[in-house]
Amino acid sequence: DAGVTQSPTHLIKTRGQQVTLRCSPKSGHDTVSWYQQALGQGPQFIFQYYEEEERQRGNFPDRFSGHQFPNYSSELNVNALLLGDSALYLCASSLAMGTGVNNEQFFGPGTRLTVL
Amino acid sequence: AQSVTQLDSQVPVFEEAPVELRCNYSSSVSVYLFWYVQYPNQGLQLLLKYLSGSTLVKGINGFEAEFNKSQTSFHLRKPSVHISDTAEYFCAVRAQKLVFGTGTRLLVSP
Repeated sequence: DAGVTQSPTHLIKTRGQQVTLRCSPKSGHDTVSWYQQALGQGPQFIFQYYEEEERQRGNFPDRFSGHQFPNYSSELNVNALLLGDSALYLCASSLAMGTGVNNEQFFGPGTRLTVL
Repeated sequence: AQSVTQLDSQVPVFEEAPVELRCNYSSSVSVYLFWYVQYPNQGLQLLLKYLSGSTLVKGINGFEAEFNKSQTSFHLRKPSVHISDTAEYFCAVRAQKLVFGTGTRLLVSP
């Protein structure tokens, strides 16, 4: 049983470009959350998707957007990249958002984004 | 809103010595508490969690943590560390969403 997978593993972009990161949740999971982890910092919540809709959002600008597909996989899109967007982007999946905190989040290995 | 404070950015310790990684939190509502470990170039792995019940929680790899509501703390402990425990450790709280601390780097040397 594959866990949470993310692609690509590494990515280099220049300022102003756009990027799309992808996440496949753990088998049986239907909720996907995205986090940004800057160097030397803890992960920060970007947003969460359930039933193909954004359900919760952290303190991130509209340049950060996402999508969830019918097979529960998800994409994170970042437009007009800034140097400060360089970070490790983590995807986490869980089961049935809103049913309580026993829905443990399982994390993927992350995508390392470097903006030059 | 919730917040998490991990006062120690780095904790050096010798192999087989005990260790405590400190975590304090603040919240206006009841929260659930977690410790995650991150090995180099990897994602996060759940070590243990406190949801309710006994305030002493045992996790994987010999780690345990104690929830102290009056001191709003959830310190992580291990009686004897191994070289392989060298990693970054994150404390997190959850009400509506998961909020992480800034992490503590545990450095275990021979």
